[in-house]
Amino acid sequence: KAGVTQTPRYLIKTRGQQVTLSCSPISGHRSVSWYQQTPGQGLQFLFEYFSETQRNKGNFPGRFSGRQFSNSRSEMNVSTLELGDSALYLCASSFGPRAGGEETQYFGPGTRLLVL
Amino acid sequence: GDSVTQMEGPVTLSEEAFLTINCTYTATGYPSLFWYVQYPGEGLQLLLKATKADDKGSNKGFEATYRKETTSFHLEKGSVQVSDSAVYFCALLPSGGGADGLTFGKGTHLIIQP
Repeated sequence: KAGVTQTPRYLIKTRGQQVTLSCSPISGHRSVSWYQQTPGQGLQFLFEYFSETQRNKGNFPGRFSGRQFSNSRSEMNVSTLELGDSALYLCASSFGPRAGGEETQYFGPGTRLLVL
Repeated sequence: GDSVTQMEGPVTLSEEAFLTINCTYTATGYPSLFWYVQYPGEGLQLLLKATKADDKGSNKGFEATYRKETTSFHLEKGSVQVSDSAVYFCALLPSGGGADGLTFGKGTHLIIQP
């Protein structure tokens, strides 16, 4: 079974631009979560989508948004990029909430974003 | 709120040494507990998990036991190899669903010398 895939793997943008990252979950998984990883803050939860609905969002500004499609693929968007948005963005998929306790999240390789 | 505390390291060991990476947590109820590993330039790989008290997760020679009384989930391996060099993250998922996402520790950088 194919794992979680993320595109692109690497991205360079300049301040003020916007960026869209894509995530395809493991086949059969309906929940997609996004995390930001930086050296200073570590791994932080951004948001989770299940059945095309955002279930919760971490403590990030409104510039960070996302969506999920009917095939469970998800995108996240960051508008008006700042230097501090440079990070590794990780996507994780799972079967979904209350799925008999099987909520283990499986991570993709990440998208490394550099903002100049 | 929920939190996970782990030694950050770097932890440097010789090959075949015994490994312990401590992890303690703060959470209400009975969260699920995980260890993930990250190799340079890669995403996170699930190493092992435990979903209830006294469960032992194990994989690739690594083990961790969910200790509710001490709120701990320490990672152990009897004999480490150079290929185990990586960053290890302890994480918890709140009970009742994953709406709040995983809460991670800061990560422990493990270096194994030949």
